[in-house]
Amino acid sequence: DARVTQTPRHKVTEMGQEVTMRCQPILGHNTVFWYRQTMMQGLELLAYFRNRAPLDDSGMPKDRFSAEMPDATLATLKIQPSEPRDSAVYFCASVKTLDGGKGFNQPQHFGDGTRLSIL
Amino acid sequence: KNEVEQSPQNLTAQEGEFITINCSYSVGISALHWLQQHPGGGIVSLFMLSSGKKKHGRLIATINIQEKHSSLHITASHPRDSAVYICAVEPGAGSYQLTFGKGTKLSVIP
Repeated sequence: DARVTQTPRHKVTEMGQEVTMRCQPILGHNTVFWYRQTMMQGLELLAYFRNRAPLDDSGMPKDRFSAEMPDATLATLKIQPSEPRDSAVYFCASVKTLDGGKGFNQPQHFGDGTRLSIL
Repeated sequence: KNEVEQSPQNLTAQEGEFITINCSYSVGISALHWLQQHPGGGIVSLFMLSSGKKKHGRLIATINIQEKHSSLHITASHPRDSAVYICAVEPGAGSYQLTFGKGTKLSVIP
């Protein structure tokens, strides 16, 4: 079965360090999402890309977070500098969407997440 | 922004019981998703629906677009159904963003 692959699965680091999370979407999927999950807020959208172009990153703290998609097989989410409040599970998801703004036609496929702890 | 409410927040059931989880939303949508998250974290899509009813094994999802409400039913519940069930709505009209409910934690006791 095709899967979304996220690395690393776990990351523990000290406050102020740079954190980079990576996601390999399912081959052929053209829309990639980054989500953050916390106990208090649940799942929240941070940013997403369609055909590698960023469409919305309004959920992301711009001063410290950045998301990129250098090619169709790799999406990255960086935090610099990291803070304890960034501790959460970060999920990547991918889906194939059609042209013409028709929204989703298939369910999103989620990776297993990166569990991030900032000390 | 769409407000997505799930009820109950927590649910404990005996094995074999019929279970219902509810989801309501405030603004019209193009589709609604039900997701399952097991302890240990992986998220799996169970259903995506825009009208009527869908069934997969012991799971049934229904949606009433006029009432802005969806239900997820589990028949003959089993301990392996223990998980968090999350409702998410999709606005359509060219927007690909999902808005999520807070989830319902289900525990099925043998």
